[in-house]
Amino acid sequence: QLQLQESGPGLVKPSETLSLTCTVSGGSISSSSYYWGWIRQPPGKGLEWIGSIYYSGSTYYNPSLKSRVTISVDTSKNQFSLKLSSVTAADTAVYYCARHPSERDHDFDYWGQGTLVTVSS
Amino acid sequence: SSELTQDPAVSVALGQTVRITCQGDSLRSYYASWYQQKPGQAPVLVIYGKNNRPSGIPDRFSGSSSGNTASLTITGAQAEDEADYYCNSRDSSGNPLFGGGTKLTVL
Repeated sequence: QLQLQESGPGLVKPSETLSLTCTVSGGSISSSSYYWGWIRQPPGKGLEWIGSIYYSGSTYYNPSLKSRVTISVDTSKNQFSLKLSSVTAADTAVYYCARHPSERDHDFDYWGQGTLVTVSS
Repeated sequence: SSELTQDPAVSVALGQTVRITCQGDSLRSYYASWYQQKPGQAPVLVIYGKNNRPSGIPDRFSGSSSGNTASLTITGAQAEDEADYYCNSRDSSGNPLFGGGTKLTVL
C-alpha cells in the first residue's frame, strides 16, 4: 500500500522560507509514470494546488505561486520536497503531498496526512 | 473563466439521494474528479474520469457531467457521508483547479 508522509517545521517566521519533504513508502517514486504534487489548505478554507514534479525533475507550478515555489525530487531517498520563499501569514495552511497519474491527469489518488505550517513571528 | 463553482452547503435526509454540483467552463472539455474530506483528515478521491470509483469507495457514489456542470450523486446517503466535497478539474492553462467545496450535512 502506497503511503506518503509530510515532514518539516510547523512554524516559520514571516519573510523566511518554508521547507517540507514528502517521503513515499510502499512504492518507488521513479518506477512509474506518476507525478507528485503539493496541495495546501488554509484553515477553514478550500484546496489549492501548489505544483507537481516528475521523477525526472520536470516541474510545473501554480502561476500565482510560481515566483516563490521550488519543488525538487530525490529518487535515492524516495522523497520530493517543497520550498516556498518569502512567506507571510497568508501561507499558513495544512500542506499535503499527493500523487496524480500524469501532467494532464490530475486525479490525486494517494495523499499524505497533511502537516500544518503556521507563519508567525 | 478559471473557476469551479460549488454550492457552499447542501443537506440530505438519511437514506435519500443528494446531488452535489460543480460548474466551470473547463468542464465542457474535461471530466471532474471528486474528493471527500472529513474534519481533520486528508481528502479522499471518490470519483474520477467519466464515472470511476477507486477501490473501496461504495457504489452509492457516482459521477456525471452535462455541459459546464459536473455532478456527484450519493444514492442512499449514510451518516458517514457527512463531509466536505471538492471537485477538481483544470484551469484555462490546463493546471489543476479545485472548487470551493460543498459541506454536506446528513439529517
